[in-house]
Amino acid sequence: DIQMTQSPSSLSASVGDRVTITCQASQDISNYLNWYQQKPGKAPKLLIYDASNLETGVPSRFSGSGSGTDFTFTISSLQPEDIATYYCQQYDNLFTFGPGTKVDIK
Amino acid sequence: QITLKESGPTLVKPTQTLTLTCTFSGFSLSTSGVGVGWIRQPPGKALEWLALIYWDDDKRYSPSLKSRLTITKDTSKNQVVLTMTNMDPVDTATYYCAHISKWELHFDYWGQGTLVTVSS
Repeated sequence: DIQMTQSPSSLSASVGDRVTITCQASQDISNYLNWYQQKPGKAPKLLIYDASNLETGVPSRFSGSGSGTDFTFTISSLQPEDIATYYCQQYDNLFTFGPGTKVDIK
Repeated sequence: QITLKESGPTLVKPTQTLTLTCTFSGFSLSTSGVGVGWIRQPPGKALEWLALIYWDDDKRYSPSLKSRLTITKDTSKNQVVLTMTNMDPVDTATYYCAHISKWELHFDYWGQGTLVTVSS
């Protein structure tokens, strides 16, 4: 099984700050990684697929990068509506989600 | 417009079998490449992928839950059914179904989720 880790588990940042979340896979998964946003009480929403591709309609302040075992998700300028938990998910071998990173406004 | 909606019991007793139905619109499970997956989320915890079925009846299961899960589809009704046997309180969670393409492997449309509580 492929295990996913994320760091940090939570963070607080100010509006306008650059926010970075990392995701690490237990083995090489190439670029087979997606990122989701989940707001409280809502279903997850796909933001980034194939590690770096922005889903249609998602604001350009969201971005992703990485390959192999190490991946990064960035919000270039944090907005109040970005308060959510963010999950990475690998699909190299079946599907595994990371533990999530909760993002709050400071 | 693609929509999915989960339905099933809100409360099941330990050892019982859970049956959940995902009813969808805006796509067909007879179309090449189309799939529907199930993902769950215990209260306050992370997402966990459970199972997936594709248009060609190819089925995938989470290795840790494979012995307890069965996924089937009814193409004529636009439904996917997930059964989970021997339910336990640790299976209390919100259960989501989601659309996926076999060629792109990301869950791009999700249902609203249904909370299932396991308690005697």
